[in-house]
Amino acid sequence: AQSVAQPEDQVNVAEGNPLTVKCTYSVSGNPYLFWYVQYPNRGLQFLLKYITGDNLVKGSYGFEAEFNKSQTSFHLKKPSALVSDSALYFCAVRVRGSTLGRLYFGRGTQLTVWP
Amino acid sequence: SQTIHQWPATLVQPVGSPLSLECTVEGTSNPNLYWYRQAAGRGLQLLFYSVGIGQISSEVPQNLSASRPQDRQFILSSKKLLLSDSGFYLCAWSVRAGEYEQYFGPGTRLTVT
Repeated sequence: AQSVAQPEDQVNVAEGNPLTVKCTYSVSGNPYLFWYVQYPNRGLQFLLKYITGDNLVKGSYGFEAEFNKSQTSFHLKKPSALVSDSALYFCAVRVRGSTLGRLYFGRGTQLTVWP
Repeated sequence: SQTIHQWPATLVQPVGSPLSLECTVEGTSNPNLYWYRQAAGRGLQLLFYSVGIGQISSEVPQNLSASRPQDRQFILSSKKLLLSDSGFYLCAWSVRAGEYEQYFGPGTRLTVT
């Protein structure tokens, strides 16, 4: 069975400091990995994805994520947090080769950036 | 460019009443379509997905149903709502195959009273 774990329900960071939102996954096969962000009462917005190649992927709004195959992790990072980054963040995995395109989501991590 | 619409944006319905939520996608053909429910602002629960007209797969047994009468239209329905059906309903689409992400609609906030 496929699963995604986001071990922290809440991450708090001061504006200007680096932030990390953690994600680990378990899949039968090779994964595609995704990060989404959700603002209150809005749909999910795609941030970035890992497909293949360079383990460090860059996405929207200055976010990046590092794929670590040995640790089965895909942590989201940003060098300098902004108050406007405060939102709910979801990690998701998709099994490579799946025509259904189903995503398996983590439970989400609430990021709060303090001014 | 592709756009996904959901309506209504908010809905308050009494227990036992019917439900119909609609989702349409513009700017793409033959998409995979998905219905999710999000409770209490946290985790997403996949309810239904569809790979083509009339082809619906259910992930969770419940009193909800889905239909896809047209290629880019996905409808979520219920004959009789329960209190537990309250939540934030999200529709999403993706390209049929490959490494593509899902794109989400703006959501419908359903409150069953």
